[in-house]
Amino acid sequence: GQQLNQSPQSMFIQEGEDVSMNCTSSSIFNTWLWYKQDPGEGPVLLIALYKAGELTSNGRLTAQFGITRKDSFLNISASIPSDVGIYFCAGQIGNQFYFGTGTSLTVIP
Amino acid sequence: EAQVTQNPRYLITVTGKKLTVTCSQNMNHEYMSWYRQDPGLGLRQIYYSMNVEVTDKGDVPEGYKVSRKEKRNFPLILESPSPNQTSLYFCATGSGRAYNEQFFGPGTRLTVL
Repeated sequence: GQQLNQSPQSMFIQEGEDVSMNCTSSSIFNTWLWYKQDPGEGPVLLIALYKAGELTSNGRLTAQFGITRKDSFLNISASIPSDVGIYFCAGQIGNQFYFGTGTSLTVIP
Repeated sequence: EAQVTQNPRYLITVTGKKLTVTCSQNMNHEYMSWYRQDPGLGLRQIYYSMNVEVTDKGDVPEGYKVSRKEKRNFPLILESPSPNQTSLYFCATGSGRAYNEQFFGPGTRLTVL
């Protein structure tokens, strides 16, 4: 299957700091998506990106679809304690979806 | 309330004993999919269905079967479970042109002894 390299694997930050994480692949994707997963729950969609170069925001979250179609990044500004969780990128090829291995975010109050 | 329901939520079974994990949605979504989540590997797609009676293999279909006889249900069948199928399983659904914006169920934790 397709490999999505997500980094960093984990982050420990102070409340109020900005966060950046990214996903790269050797494959070209039609769509990039970012999800957040809280403990004991299923992933929840944060942002969907459909066009190369697209930059989309959702509140304090901003994500971009890389112009090569092989990468994407997610930024979180002014982190708060409820941002804690695991963040996954996902790429779409045809009707199939491939997920990164996740970035575990810890926010220290 | 829009939701994706999975049953059971937890299951411990033994090698070779056939089992079914059900997934049901009340959102009239066409697209449904099964994923497994394992530590360090993220989520991997097992099977997906674009609509009733249409199913296709995902990235890791070996050892699994699915059916889509009606729009709301998409059961995952393990005919002869093995320990390497111990995992956390998620059902997801999506609608229309935005089917890629998937809603995930709460997960089923399966242990095969």
